[in-house]
Amino acid sequence: DVKVTQSSRYLVKRTGEKVFLECVQDMDHENMFWYRQDPGLGLRLIYFSYDVKMKEKGDIPEGYSVSREKKERFSLILESASTNQTSMYLCAINFSGNTEAFFGQGTRLTVV
Amino acid sequence: DQQVKQNSPSLSVQEGRISILNCDYTNSMFDYFLWYKKYPAEGPTFLISISSIKDKNEDGRFTVFLNKSAKHLSLHIVPSQPGDSAVYFCAANAIPEVLPLVFGKGTRLSVIA
Repeated sequence: DVKVTQSSRYLVKRTGEKVFLECVQDMDHENMFWYRQDPGLGLRLIYFSYDVKMKEKGDIPEGYSVSREKKERFSLILESASTNQTSMYLCAINFSGNTEAFFGQGTRLTVV
Repeated sequence: DQQVKQNSPSLSVQEGRISILNCDYTNSMFDYFLWYKKYPAEGPTFLISISSIKDKNEDGRFTVFLNKSAKHLSLHIVPSQPGDSAVYFCAANAIPEVLPLVFGKGTRLSVIA
């Protein structure tokens, strides 16, 4: 079974704080993704990475950055959290030869 | 510009009847399509997929139909069960392993007992 673990299920942060969302996979998969889900907007891609130290912007990268220092870990960073970043954040992975993506359980972030 | 569209935000169906969820896409390069199911406070889980070389794929109660000329796919659930109540996302990919999945906005299915 593919296991994708996000560090927190629920998080409450203050406006202006620097926020780290961690995603860890237990397989040797190259491809990792960060999405956010908002009602009526579906899943929107923030950033993705196809290898260590590699990153690509998705559709809505503004206000976010990422870090991938090790293959198994992909971190999403909110440099200065704002209330419009209140959302469900979802990490996903897929692996070579398979288009299907596997998701973590999600982190519900509330910025107050 | 939305490349994958799910035009029905919600759908209500009686238990035992058929649920039909629709999805349209605009990018003719898409060649692989997936459906995901999502419960509240959980991550999406993969349900079923179809390659563009096929027009139908079946897995138990779930069948996905693809009409390439119309750039349309649909997910049929027969018979619908209360546990099927969730948000369903359609997703597509142009070149597997190279580009991330592109998702629609989702359709909330409610199956009424």
